[in-house]
Amino acid sequence: EIVMTQSPATLSVSPGERVTISCRASQSVSSNLVWYQQKPGQAPRLLIYGASIRATGIPARFSGSGAKTEFTLTISSLQSEDSAIYYCQQYKAWWTFGQGTKVEIK
Amino acid sequence: QVQMVQSGAEVKKPGASVRVSCKTSGYTFTSYPISWVRQAPGQGLEWMGWIRPGTANADYAPTFQGTVTMTTDTSTDTAYMDLRSLKSDDTAVYYCATVVGSNPYWGQGTLVAVSS
Repeated sequence: EIVMTQSPATLSVSPGERVTISCRASQSVSSNLVWYQQKPGQAPRLLIYGASIRATGIPARFSGSGAKTEFTLTISSLQSEDSAIYYCQQYKAWWTFGQGTKVEIK
Repeated sequence: QVQMVQSGAEVKKPGASVRVSCKTSGYTFTSYPISWVRQAPGQGLEWMGWIRPGTANADYAPTFQGTVTMTTDTSTDTAYMDLRSLKSDDTAVYYCATVVGSNPYWGQGTLVAVSS
């Protein structure tokens, strides 16, 4: 089983600041990685697929990078509506999720 | 458009079984695997396994081997997830999901509460 490890667990950031979330895979997943945003009571919303491709309708302030075992989700300028939990997920071999990063607005 | 509509919330007693359904539309049901994902209260997302509707072959995550069965009905484009021997820590929201092209689609989630 491929283990996904996210860091940090929680971030408290002021509006307009840059946010960086890391995700590490226990073995190479190539670019078979997605990022989700989840708000309370909602299903996860796709942000990024293929490690770096923004999903339809996702604002340009969200970007993904990385390959193989190291990945990053960046929010270039945090907005209040970005308060949520963010998950990475690999789909190279079955699915596994990171444990999530909670982004709070300071 | 692709839609996945799940059955309603369930309350079950410990030791019972539950069936959650996932009615799909808007794509070729037999062409894409359907995954089931669990989210316990205040916890993260946990993949339970998937089933390929075209072949009815299923793979289950090790944690769920022996307690979950996934099936499909190709006549109604519906997927089912059966969970047996329920315990209190099976209380969670259960999601079905699929990926069509490069886009994942999720059901709205079904709350299963296990309580005596």
